[in-house]
Amino acid sequence: EDQVTQSPEALRLQEGESSSLNCSYTVSGLRGLFWYRQDPGKGPEFLFTLYSAGEEKEKERLKATLTKKESFLHITAPKPEDSATYLCAVRGGGYNKLIFGAGTRLAVHP
Amino acid sequence: NAGVTQTPKFRVLKTGQSMTLLCAQDMNHEYMYWYRQDPGMGLRLIHYSVGEGTTAKGEVPDGYNVSRLKKQNFLLGLESAAPSQTSVYFCASSDRANEQFFGPGTRLTVL
Repeated sequence: EDQVTQSPEALRLQEGESSSLNCSYTVSGLRGLFWYRQDPGKGPEFLFTLYSAGEEKEKERLKATLTKKESFLHITAPKPEDSATYLCAVRGGGYNKLIFGAGTRLAVHP
Repeated sequence: NAGVTQTPKFRVLKTGQSMTLLCAQDMNHEYMYWYRQDPGMGLRLIHYSVGEGTTAKGEVPDGYNVSRLKKQNFLLGLESAAPSQTSVYFCASSDRANEQFFGPGTRLTVL
């Protein structure tokens, strides 16, 4: 059964303190791993798509990496505005169905 | 370009009442989806559509119905609401197998 597990559930950082969020997955035939950001009371906002092990993508202070079993979202020198819930999702076979993890709530304090 | 919009934003129902949630997208996307999001759980797919006039069941379809009469609209119906359907509902759309774009959500409470 396709499954996505994110850790930690919550993370508190000081501004400038770099860290990483983890997304472990099991899927029969990965056809894409997606990272989204979700602010309170809003819908998920697309960040990255990764397709194959070894692939990396960057956007401002965020960098996503992918291995055969997990993905990391690295946050370098975070700012308070990076505070949000970060969601990971995988797409397996068939139609464009995404399996989401429960998310990591990130709080960055000044 | 509004992207994906949802109406209403909030709704309170009594058990047994019915309602329809409306999703509209202006990106000419083929695929549309309805998810629910509950605390401590990931987004779960309720129903989806791969084109006008087509719908299919997702992971948690029981108690919900959908219709896609126009390409830009996807409706989610609750015929007889139950407290277990208290949740935040998100609509999304995508250009076939690419990334999904989400609406702002509808917070539904069933008393």
